[in-house]
Amino acid sequence: GAVVSQHPSRVICKSGTSVKIECRSLDFQATTMFWYRQFPKQSLMLMATSNEGSKATYEQGVEKDKFLINHASLTLSTLTVTSAHPEDSSFYICSAPSSTEAFFGQGTRLTVV
Amino acid sequence: AQSVTQLGSHVSVSEGALVLLRCNYSSSVPPYLFWYVQYPNQGLQLLLKYTSAATLVKGINGFEAEFKKSETSFHLTKPSAHMSDAAEYFCAVSESSPRDDKIIFGKGTRLHILP
Repeated sequence: GAVVSQHPSRVICKSGTSVKIECRSLDFQATTMFWYRQFPKQSLMLMATSNEGSKATYEQGVEKDKFLINHASLTLSTLTVTSAHPEDSSFYICSAPSSTEAFFGQGTRLTVV
Repeated sequence: AQSVTQLGSHVSVSEGALVLLRCNYSSSVPPYLFWYVQYPNQGLQLLLKYTSAATLVKGINGFEAEFKKSETSFHLTKPSAHMSDAAEYFCAVSESSPRDDKIIFGKGTRLHILP
């Protein structure tokens, strides 16, 4: 099946700094990608829809200025957590869909200290 | 809007016993339905999907699920549990092709396998 690569798998950053997470579709083009956040022992919550060549669509309650999404090419979407704080610590997962299923990255464990 | 309810946040079965994970959905249109498995600190792996073809769907690792419109259910089963099946399982729904619509996840069910 199609492969989605997410990098880094783990990152620790200091409070107040920014962190960029990359999501690549390796063998297919993705005009749309999705970013999810998962708190410990909870489900995946959709944060935003990343659209190639246009602005991302954010879910209600997600701060667009804090979670910057860029989808500059058909194979790459990035999520930047700006001015990170400890409450931003979480597991972030991206997905790239085909017409019949969504393929997920391996996830990024972000810890803000 | 579509939604998914997974009954039971934790399910324990003995090795070799039947696995049954329950999922009910709500959708205003014929849905796309999915079961995903997640191992600790990893992404999601698709077990199987229903996209309006056969109502009994067979997936990987011996899992299968049956779409029952009258019951709005899509329960996941496996005849004989294996220790390696211990993981978190998510049922998910989309009201259109995943390329055109977001996928909404249930809260998940953690499957424990007892030796």
